[in-house]
Parts: sequence; structure tokens; C-alpha cells
Amino acid sequence: DAGVIQSPRHEVTEMGQEVTLRCKPISGHDYLFWYRQTMMRGLELLIYFNNNVPIDDSGMPEDRFSAKMPNASFSTLKIQPSEPRDSAVYFCASRGYGIEAFFGQGTRLTVV
Amino acid sequence: EDQVTQSPEALRLQEGESSSLNCSYTVSGLRGLFWYRQDPGKGPEFLFTLYSAGEEKEKERLKATLTKKESFLHITAPKPEDSATYLCAVLTYNTDKLIFGTGTRLQVFP
Repeated sequence: DAGVIQSPRHEVTEMGQEVTLRCKPISGHDYLFWYRQTMMRGLELLIYFNNNVPIDDSGMPEDRFSAKMPNASFSTLKIQPSEPRDSAVYFCASRGYGIEAFFGQGTRLTVV
Repeated sequence: EDQVTQSPEALRLQEGESSSLNCSYTVSGLRGLFWYRQDPGKGPEFLFTLYSAGEEKEKERLKATLTKKESFLHITAPKPEDSATYLCAVLTYNTDKLIFGTGTRLQVFP
């Protein structure tokens, strides 16, 4: 298996623009998690899905953030409008039968 | 509130100098404790899962142990390639959220 695949790996955008991050979980995994990592706050859970249904979005910082999982093999995290304080590395992770979560390589977002 | 605390924040070792990283946790109903390794510019890489106090897991120069309050990641005779940030995380029975500590940044010098 190729593991969790995220795209793009790097994104540089101007403040106010819409940003869409993409994730393909490991095939057969029924949990998908979106995390954000910064030096100040470490790894923070933003939202997670089970069987494509959002279960807990309490970590989503504000209404500018939204996430969808239209099917078992694809999820998006959208920021609209983006702000400089959104600059971070965003990780997607998936989990299957076991309780271990496996992470993608991340998307480094820079908002200027 | 469930919490995970890692220490030290950073650790510098000479090659071959064994040491331990600590992960203290306060949770209600531990379902599993995990160790991950993260290299710069990459995602966390899964290392171990520990389920109950007294359990131990080993992989090459790494050995993870678990008590009711903390976990240790022992590194025996480390090599420069062991340099990375090591993250501890817990999962409880109350939720499917994985709660992470802030990590220990390990540097091993030849």
C-alpha cells in the first residue's frame, strides 16, 4: 500500500485566497483525521471522520475552515479566506481495524 | 482533562550513549499509548503501541515500556540516524481522538 497520500506537498498563497488540501487514506481504513502542526502548539486535531461521516469538528479553529469526505478514498480540508496565521503543516491520518493511526507526509501551507 | 506531557524537550547524545525519553499521561480509560518518530519535513511514523501497564515493545535500538502513569522510550547505543523528534500519543475509550505530547527532539552526534 502507498500509505496516506496528501497533496499538494507545499502551498504558498496570498491572504484572502481559498486553499484546498487533499487526502487519500489507506484503502480499507474507516477513520480519517486532519491535524495541524505548528511549533507553538504541536499537533492539534482539527476534525475526524468515521465511515465518511464527520464525528468531531471541535478542533476546527473557525468557520473559515471546512472539511468534507465525499467517499471512502478522498477527503478535503478547505480554508476560505486564508490568513497568515493559518500557516502550518497540515497532516491527514487514517486508521483501520487496529487503533494505530498512519500519517501522510503533510502539506506545508504558507499564507503571505 | 486528558493530558500528555513529554520530557525532556530536547536531548543531545553522543553516539553510543544510551538514554530514555519520558511520556507522562493523565487520562480516563487508556485504550492505547503510541510512540511515533518524526523526521524534518515528514509525517509522524508509527513505532509502537502499548496497551497495558507492564507491557514492553522493542524494535532495533528502541524499547518502549508502560506503567499506569508514564511510558519510557529507551534508546540503547544510539546512532546519528536515530536523530528525530519522538512523539507520544494516547487514545482513550471515551473518544477516537489521538492526543499528542509536544515531543522530544533527539540529536545524536558521531
